[in-house]
Amino acid sequence: DVKVTQSSRYLVKRTGEKVFLECVQDMDHENMFWYRQDPGLGLRLIYFSYDVKMKEKGDIPEGYSVSREKKERFSLILESASTNQTSMYLCASRTGTHYGYTFGSGTRLTVV
Amino acid sequence: LAKTTQPISMDSYEGQEVNITCSHNNIATNDYITWYQQFPSQGPRFIIQGYKTKVTNEVASLFIPADRKSSTLSLPRVSLSDTAVYYCLVGDPRGRMSYGGATNKLIFGTGTLLAVQP
Repeated sequence: DVKVTQSSRYLVKRTGEKVFLECVQDMDHENMFWYRQDPGLGLRLIYFSYDVKMKEKGDIPEGYSVSREKKERFSLILESASTNQTSMYLCASRTGTHYGYTFGSGTRLTVV
Repeated sequence: LAKTTQPISMDSYEGQEVNITCSHNNIATNDYITWYQQFPSQGPRFIIQGYKTKVTNEVASLFIPADRKSSTLSLPRVSLSDTAVYYCLVGDPRGRMSYGGATNKLIFGTGTLLAVQP
């Protein structure tokens, strides 16, 4: 089974801190994604990457950046965390020909 | 990207068959219909995908009429553990993504919360 692993299940950070969320997949998938999920808003795409060092903005990229130096790892960076970035963050991956996404278990980030 | 509309919530009892309908009037020729299931504090999990007519797997069935403007996820004999949020997505998930290839990303809506009671 494909595994997508997010490094932390829960994080608490202070306003203004730089925050790194890590995601690793073990199936050589080309495409990786970062979503955030908030009550009443569903999942919203922040950034995605279609190959190493390639990235593209999703629907809500403001306040975030990403890094994909290796195929298996996709990092989401909050340059200066703010309280409105308190959310559940979900990483996903897929191959170019696979019909479904595989999601990680999520990181619940609280910014205080 | 085709927009989807599905009920916000549904209630059912154990052992019943549950049908969740999704509307996608603007579905494009290359679009597939995909359903995901999400339990609290977990990421969504792929359930089933189809293009037309009927698709069945060990978990669910997916019914798609000829005009493809809607689809119905059918869960046979639900149990308490089927209580979850179900998302209907429409898009073309095939092929390689590339710069500007946002057309084949999948857009999640708010989903349908299915509550199964004893």
